[in-house]
Amino acid sequence: EAGVAQSPRYKIIEKRQSVAFWCNPISGHATLYWYQQILGQGPKLLIQFQNNGVVDDSQLPKDRFSAERLKGVDSTLKIQPAKLEDSAVYLCASSLVGTEQFFGPGTRLTVL
Amino acid sequence: EDQVTQSPEALRLQEGESSSLNCSYTVSGLRGLFWYRQDPGKGPEFLFTLYSAGEEKEKERLKATLTKKESFLHITAPKPEDSATYLCAVQVTPRSNTGKLIFGQGTTLQVKP
Repeated sequence: EAGVAQSPRYKIIEKRQSVAFWCNPISGHATLYWYQQILGQGPKLLIQFQNNGVVDDSQLPKDRFSAERLKGVDSTLKIQPAKLEDSAVYLCASSLVGTEQFFGPGTRLTVL
Repeated sequence: EDQVTQSPEALRLQEGESSSLNCSYTVSGLRGLFWYRQDPGKGPEFLFTLYSAGEEKEKERLKATLTKKESFLHITAPKPEDSATYLCAVQVTPRSNTGKLIFGQGTTLQVKP
């Protein structure tokens, strides 16, 4: 069974630039999550989708972050404009409703 | 506020030296407690889910236990390949009801041959 796919794996940008990350969840998983993991910390939920609807975006900095999940499958997370403190690993996870989450390899973002 | 704290932050063991990692939590209501393993440059890998106090689960050299306030991950006779960061996360009951995981900061385990 294929796992959660993410791209790109690494991205380096200047502050104030924009960046987008892509996630393809495990087939059949209705729930998709985006987490931010700062070095030395545990992942923090940014946004959760159930099919193509947003369930929880309470910790998403909406002035600069946006996310969408078209057709209830793939998802993109965008940052515009990026700040230095956005340097982190962005993890995508998926699950069946109410079950354990499976994570992708993450995208490591460096903002200079 | 829901909170998860893991200790120690880092642990060095000799191969074969058994030990335990701790995860203490303060939550409004626990739906489930999850353990993940994370290798450098990779996403977290699911290990266990525990739902009620007294529950135990085992996988190879790892055993997870749960009480009303904390969980332990026991590592018996570890090998160098057990070296990783171990993350604990809780899922809270129905007030949010979203399946959201609240993670601890992790324990980085190094097992030396």
